[in-house]
Amino acid sequence: EVQLVESGGGLVQPGGSLRLSCAASGFTFSSYEMNWVRQAPGKGLEWVSYISSSGSTIYYADSVKGRFTISRDNAKNSLYLQMNSLRAEDTAVYYCAREPDTAMVDYWGQGTLVTVSS
Amino acid sequence: QSALTQPPSASGSPGQSVTISCTGTSSDVGGYNYVSWYQQHPGKAPKLMIYEVSKRPSGVPDRFSGSKSGNTASLTVSGLQAEDEADYYCSSYAGSNIFYVFGTGTKVTVL
Repeated sequence: EVQLVESGGGLVQPGGSLRLSCAASGFTFSSYEMNWVRQAPGKGLEWVSYISSSGSTIYYADSVKGRFTISRDNAKNSLYLQMNSLRAEDTAVYYCAREPDTAMVDYWGQGTLVTVSS
Repeated sequence: QSALTQPPSASGSPGQSVTISCTGTSSDVGGYNYVSWYQQHPGKAPKLMIYEVSKRPSGVPDRFSGSKSGNTASLTVSGLQAEDEADYYCSSYAGSNIFYVFGTGTKVTVL
């Protein structure tokens, strides 16, 4: 059974940092592209970042470029999102999402809530 | 990176059909056949309903169908059922600079 389990969310002050993790199981993690997608409370979905299966290709949304860093460790079946210089508008549930083919997500994690507030 | 435009709400009675539009530009929806649709129930993670404009993943009822014309994609839910009441989001590939963009979301209500 495919499972994606996010962790690392919490309350952080503006300007602070947080590192999200996503533990993958039930599939060959190293064969899949992965994404982070977020959803602010009561709002719609927003794509955050993409990483290729090998980690060699990475993309970011303009809203997080220069502040967030996506990475993966295929040996540990894990995906990460390092978030720096956090702002109130980064407050959201962050989902880890598996991409089996171009522009489609077939499995999502349960999400982890990040709250940026003083 | 502007979001794709969806109507805020749509509704229909059980057994009826509802169609949700998703309007983008020639740089996203109109430029690629990589439009997906997701269903999201309150407090739950999204679920893939349609990919590559009109393909259905296994397990998704054939009551759900997708299409595209120009810069606008559409999701049609036929034979509405109570469990179809949810938020629906479209998404599209938008090229190597912007990459992916989601729609604004549509709340479907089964009357």
